[in-house]
Amino acid sequence: DTGVSQDPRHKITKRGQNVTFRCDPISEHNRLYWYRQTLGQGPEFLTYFQNEAQLEKSRLLSDRFSAERPKGSFSTLEIQRTEQGDSAMYLCASSLSGTGSSLTQYFGPGTRLLVL
Amino acid sequence: TQLLEQSPQFLSIQEGENLTVYCNSSSVFSSLQWYRQEPGEGPVLLVTVVTGGEVKKLKRLTFQFGDARKDSSLHITAAQPGDTGLYLCAGVDDKIIFGKGTRLHILP
Repeated sequence: DTGVSQDPRHKITKRGQNVTFRCDPISEHNRLYWYRQTLGQGPEFLTYFQNEAQLEKSRLLSDRFSAERPKGSFSTLEIQRTEQGDSAMYLCASSLSGTGSSLTQYFGPGTRLLVL
Repeated sequence: TQLLEQSPQFLSIQEGENLTVYCNSSSVFSSLQWYRQEPGEGPVLLVTVVTGGEVKKLKRLTFQFGDARKDSSLHITAAQPGDTGLYLCAGVDDKIIFGKGTRLHILP
């Protein structure tokens, strides 16, 4: 296992279309996180899973966004009826369970979304 | 709302110079992490600091954690072009909250 992978790396879509991104975490990691990063900003937390359970969702995650991790392995993030403001880098990270100093997340390369 | 403020936002210096960037938190986290991110890639963890007053060194990088565990600094000695990137600090509890980062550019 070489790390967290994300697909696609780039996506261009027209406003109003739906898009789906996939994240494959490090195989033994039970936690998976989604972040959004816009130009000039740090990553903003969107949601995270422990195994297949979605434990927390940010207020940033509008009802057009949905994330799943059906078998506790890979995850998908879907954006419905995309808007230009959704243009960003979508980052996925995985980790083992833990808090504080024991929480080390490993990030994927991200999916860059451009909504025209 | 937990906030991490980083300064400066941008820094451009000549190769060989020293620099320090800062991170200040509005609250205390279980730990604080520093990441480096290159264009088109995800952030990569550099260090985790936990204890107030802690100092960690990673080659030419020195990380300090304030006694009150709300502020941290990253000092780079003899900067090199390969140090160019976005340096992010992050507060860690059950999830990670990132600052906006300091974009560093080292001129050869």
